[in-house]
Formats: sequence, structure tokens, C-alpha cells
Amino acid sequence: EPEVTQTPSHQVTQMGQEVILRCVPISNHLYFYWYRQILGQKVEFLVSFYNNEISEKSEIFDDQFSVERPDGSNFTLKIRSTKLEDSAMYFCASSEERDRVANNSPLHFGNGTRLTVT
Amino acid sequence: GQNIDQPTEMTATEGAIVQINCTYQTSGFNGLFWYQQHAGEAPTFLSYNVLDGLEEKGRFSSFLSRSKGYSYLLLKELQMKDSASYLCAGGTDSWGKLQFGAGTQVVVTP
Repeated sequence: EPEVTQTPSHQVTQMGQEVILRCVPISNHLYFYWYRQILGQKVEFLVSFYNNEISEKSEIFDDQFSVERPDGSNFTLKIRSTKLEDSAMYFCASSEERDRVANNSPLHFGNGTRLTVT
Repeated sequence: GQNIDQPTEMTATEGAIVQINCTYQTSGFNGLFWYQQHAGEAPTFLSYNVLDGLEEKGRFSSFLSRSKGYSYLLLKELQMKDSASYLCAGGTDSWGKLQFGAGTQVVVTP
């Protein structure tokens, strides 16, 4: 079964450094997302991406965050200057075209990148 | 945003049935999703409902009542591997933006 792949599985960085988290969504999917989960807390939406532009972003997704689809397969999340509170598991997800009834379709998540900011 | 409420933890024995309830605010609702998450792993899609009624998928079933803002996930013939957190998530008007609950930790005992 096709899956979303993320690299690295674990990233340790110092506060203030830039990090890039990488994702390869499922190949025929059109919609891409980043979510994060701070240890012991809820999964939180960060950003959605469609047709090479951001569709929606949450309050968490401030100017320190950016996303990019540099080629036909990769989807990246960049944090320019990491803070301690950015430590979390970051999940990439993708979905195929909308379900016409629900205006939604299931998100398929990658295994995540655990980001630790020291 | 929506408030998604679900119990924190449930315990059941192997072979039994467990029902995980989820309530949500109905404004901006656009489908109700259930995911399974083992510790340290990605959420895995189980089921979703957009219309009222029951959706059955093998040992898992999910029910939705939109007028009551209520859903449940039913797990039958529990197996040890079903021990995990079960996340209820509401679809919103924004495409792909899910509002997750805190998850219900299901512990299956022998």
C-alpha cells in the first residue's frame, strides 16, 4: 500500500538554528499537510498546501515556518529559527481529491519526524 | 474551532467490545474521522462519517448523529494489538484541516 514517507525520523537541533523536515507524499495525492503533536498533547493542524500554494494555515504557522514543494515528489517544512517550544513530532499528510459528498477525504499520515530543540 | 470531547482512557478484555464516544460542536462541521495511533507512531485512518448512521469496516464500526453532535467508534473482538490511542477528528470548512480530540487510550487486557 502506498505510504507517506518522512525524513529524518529524529532531528536534534539547537535553539535558533534552521531545520528542514522532508516528506514524500503518496504519488497520486493532490493535497499536502503538516501537523504537529507536542508530547502528550493533541495533534494540531499547521498548514495545508494545494496547487503549489498554501490553502490554509493555523496560528501556529507564523513567519518562522514555510513550506515548499521543490519538485514533483518532495514536500518540505522549514523552521527558520527554532525555539524550545517547537519540540514536537511533525507529521506530514496527504490526501487525494475531495469526496464530493463530504467535501473531505481521509488524510494519510507519515511516521513523523521527532524534532528536539535544545 | 470545534471542541472535540472523548474519554481519556478505557480498559477492556481481549475478545470484548468497546465503544468510544465522541462529541463535537456542530458549527462548521464537515465529516467525522476516526484514527488509531500507537505510541510514537503516525495516526492511521480507520473510518469516517459524513451522513448519519453506521459505517462498518470489519471489526471497526463508526456511527454519527449530526443533530446530536455525537459519534462513536465500536471495536469488536478486541485483540491485544488494538491497545492504542483512538483519535476523533472533526472535518472543518477548510479543506484537510482536521480538529483532533485528545484521544482515548484503549488498554486491552488478557
